[in-house]
Amino acid sequence: QKEVEQDPGPLSVPEGAIVSLNCTYSNSAFQYFMWYRQYSRKGPELLMYTYSSGNKEDGRFTAQVDKSSKYISLFIRDSQPSDSATYLCAMSAKIGGANSKLTFGKGITLSVRP
Amino acid sequence: NAGVTQTPKFQVLKTGQSMTLQCAQDMNHEYMSWYRQDPGMGLRLIHYSVGAGITDQGEVPNGYNVSRSTTEDFPLRLLSAAPSQTSVYFCASTYGGFTDTQYFGPGTRLTVL
Repeated sequence: QKEVEQDPGPLSVPEGAIVSLNCTYSNSAFQYFMWYRQYSRKGPELLMYTYSSGNKEDGRFTAQVDKSSKYISLFIRDSQPSDSATYLCAMSAKIGGANSKLTFGKGITLSVRP
Repeated sequence: NAGVTQTPKFQVLKTGQSMTLQCAQDMNHEYMSWYRQDPGMGLRLIHYSVGAGITDQGEVPNGYNVSRSTTEDFPLRLLSAAPSQTSVYFCASTYGGFTDTQYFGPGTRLTVL
């Protein structure tokens, strides 16, 4: 079993839909969780991060962590065509320093249809 | 600020050839990393550096060398290219560790025939 599993996708939704992107993990030591967004033919960029359990909201985006279930989610409300990208979850057992290396999910490609 | 720059954008090599992928950043970041991205595999760390003169191996270091003589530059050398090294390579930099915001370059698409 891989340490981080991400729904394989691809995912296609109509504009305005609520999107739920999910990752599960097996390493209970993970405590720092991040979502990166990657547009086609570009490098990833950090979208959101969360420490430990709970929710974090930023505009139309909400990151949710459930450490008891080893499950993280990214919700996108009122999805827009500009949200069409690949979304990668990433997580780490340490915060800061050389030991904070990230384990990435495979990424899921989202397409929002106008 | 140019951020993180990578050259070349595309490269085709023959098996056994060597080459260097260039990476530079102008943000005075201490941490720099090289990742490879393959379909269905996500991002995997090849090598990283926590400052000039200090490098270490990541998850998939075999077949690659790095050096860090300056804060700005972190080249990745392929010693003897193999088809298994066909991938998209990303360089990233960050200030204080991998859980800080990593800034990625635009990537180098490498094909080894």
